[in-house]
Amino acid sequence: EDKVVQSPLSLVVHEGDTVTLNCSYEVTNFRSLLWYKQEKKAPTFLFMLTSSGIEKKSGRLSSILDKKELFSILNITATQTGDSAVYLCAVTKDGGATNKLIFGTGTLLAVQP
Amino acid sequence: NAGVTQTPKFQVLKTGQSMTLQCAQDMNHEYMSWYRQDPGMGLRLIHYSVGAGITDQGEVPNGYNVSRSTTEDFPLRLLSAAPSQTSVYFCASSTGYSYYGYTFGSGTRLTVV
Repeated sequence: EDKVVQSPLSLVVHEGDTVTLNCSYEVTNFRSLLWYKQEKKAPTFLFMLTSSGIEKKSGRLSSILDKKELFSILNITATQTGDSAVYLCAVTKDGGATNKLIFGTGTLLAVQP
Repeated sequence: NAGVTQTPKFQVLKTGQSMTLQCAQDMNHEYMSWYRQDPGMGLRLIHYSVGAGITDQGEVPNGYNVSRSTTEDFPLRLLSAAPSQTSVYFCASSTGYSYYGYTFGSGTRLTVV
């Protein structure tokens, strides 16, 4: 059975801290891994990763994929209160409907002033 | 562009009632899907469509029907609402091989009493 596991489930940090969110997966015919940010409404797209070892970066956020060890991390440096959200990891597979997303349960990040 | 539009935003149903959640996108995306989000469960796929006239079941299809008569619209029907269907429902769309993930609607919060 396909599985996506995120850790930690939740964490609380202070502004300025650096956080690392983890996503591990067990799926057949892996195609890509996506990160989303969800703030009380619809998830918004952050990154899509398909190749191992290539870091994707957007401002203070960065992510990398390890296809050998089957995991990805999302780093947020110099956190701000606006980073408070649920961060979702999802995986897509090759074959069939390639855009089906298999989600993890998410990591709830709270950034305190 | 409106993106993905979901209606209604909130709904309360009595057990046994039926209703349709509406989803429309104006991006000419082939791929559309419905997810439900429950606490601690992440997003789970209900039904999806890879084009007009083509639909298929996701992970949790029981109690729901869909149809895709046009590229733009993908309504989700609850046949006989049950308290277990209390959830937040998201519609999403993407191109066939999107490198930017899905575009999500703003969600419908459904309560079945």
